[in-house]
Amino acid sequence: DQQVKQNSPSLSVQEGRISILNCDYTNSMFDYFLWYKKYPAEGPTFLISISSIKDKNEDGRFTVFLNKSAKHLSLHIVPSHPGDSAVYFCAASWTGANNLFFGTGTRLTVIP
Amino acid sequence: GAGVSQSPSNKVTEKGKDVELRCDPISGHTALYWYRQSLGQGLEFLIYFQGNSAPDKSGLPSDRFSAERTGGSVSTLTIQRTQQEDSAVYLCASSLARTSPETQYFGPGTRLLVL
Repeated sequence: DQQVKQNSPSLSVQEGRISILNCDYTNSMFDYFLWYKKYPAEGPTFLISISSIKDKNEDGRFTVFLNKSAKHLSLHIVPSHPGDSAVYFCAASWTGANNLFFGTGTRLTVIP
Repeated sequence: GAGVSQSPSNKVTEKGKDVELRCDPISGHTALYWYRQSLGQGLEFLIYFQGNSAPDKSGLPSDRFSAERTGGSVSTLTIQRTQQEDSAVYLCASSLARTSPETQYFGPGTRLLVL
């Protein structure tokens, strides 16, 4: 039962353009959402997070948007760089949970 | 400083054999997690250790899987009588304390292939 879903396995964008990665979830208990970035042969690294009390969190080129009514969040990367090419995982949790629930990932390719 | 390290980086074994995977968390991190990622899947939670508390084993898929954490530091994940469906990347993560999810730091993983 996949509680966090990333329906696009891959995405390609031109350098300098916006990358939008999407994530949907089913569990209403989730109150914390995260994006992790993963390069080949490395573990996932934390990128940005958002609490359910907010609908937007921005950190440099990265912005995460949360739409609780739609149970949807997205990660925007503006502008995109070739070095952003990686697999991006959406994850969710709730206060008191012992673990994160991950999506299946979206492979982003930024074309120079 | 050193991050989370895992060994071996790759392991090939025959069906039915036992394997041990090791995780060295970041020094001082009290929380330790094991996840696995099967092909085409997201990361799946396996087990969680926090200090001296009893571990949360709710994610272990079968009784062939076990894990221990000695001295509150190094952890070993053991898979007995491996099956082909156990083939996956096994990831370990650690954090200072279970206060905020984003502080989980992941190791590079052990890629397990069961023939």
